[in-house]
Amino acid sequence: KAGVTQTPRYLIKTRGQQVTLSCSPISGHRSVSWYQQTPGQGLQFLFEYFSETQRNKGNFPGRFSGRQFSNSRSEMNVSTLELGDSALYLCASSRDAWGYTGELFFGEGSRLTVL
Amino acid sequence: GQQLNQSPQSMFIQEGEDVSMNCTSSSIFNTWLWYKQDPGEGPVLLIALYKAGELTSNGRLTAQFGITRKDSFLNISASIPSDVGIYFCAGQLQDTGTASKLTFGTGTRLQVTL
Repeated sequence: KAGVTQTPRYLIKTRGQQVTLSCSPISGHRSVSWYQQTPGQGLQFLFEYFSETQRNKGNFPGRFSGRQFSNSRSEMNVSTLELGDSALYLCASSRDAWGYTGELFFGEGSRLTVL
Repeated sequence: GQQLNQSPQSMFIQEGEDVSMNCTSSSIFNTWLWYKQDPGEGPVLLIALYKAGELTSNGRLTAQFGITRKDSFLNISASIPSDVGIYFCAGQLQDTGTASKLTFGTGTRLQVTL
C-alpha cells in the first residue's frame, strides 16, 4: 500500500517568490492535514481538510493557503516567501473523518529553503 | 506556536538499556500519541492513548496516559540501535472546532551506543 506522497522533496526559492507543494494521501484516506517543522518552533499545525473543505487552520499568516481536490489530493501554497518560511512541510493523511483519532500517516515532507 | 514540554531533550544510552521519557502540558488533552521520526522522514505513529490512566504497549514500547490528562510517558525496554531517532509526543483535544489538530512536543533525541 503506497504511503503519503509529497512533491517536490526539496526546493530552493528566493524571498518574494511563491511556492506550491503537493500531497497525495494514502488511497482511501479522505482527511489531509499539513504541518510545518522548524528547529525553533518544532511541528506546528497549518491546515486540515476533509472532503475538499478546510476544517481548521493554524496560527499562520494569510500567505499560507491550501486546498483539497475531489480525489483527496491536497496542495498548499505560500506566497511572498520570507526567510523564516524555510522549513520541512509535512503532509499527513488519516482514514478517519477529520483525522478524529489523531492517528496520522505522514509523508517524507517537502524541504523548502528560502534564500 | 504552542509546544508540549518533553524531557529529556536528548539522551545517550547503551544497547540493552531501558529508556523513559515524558511529556507535560499546561492544558488537558483527551488523546495522547507518540510518534518517532527518523532522519529525512516524516513522523511515524508508535502508540495512541485515548483514556486517562490507560497503559498501552506496542512490542518493547509502553506508554501511559496521565491521570490528570496533562501528561504522558513512554518507556522503551531493551533498546536496540534502530531505536535511534527523535520521539515526539502529541496531544489532541477533539472538539467541533479543532478536530484532528495535534499539538506536538519539543522532541526527545535518542542515541544508542553499542
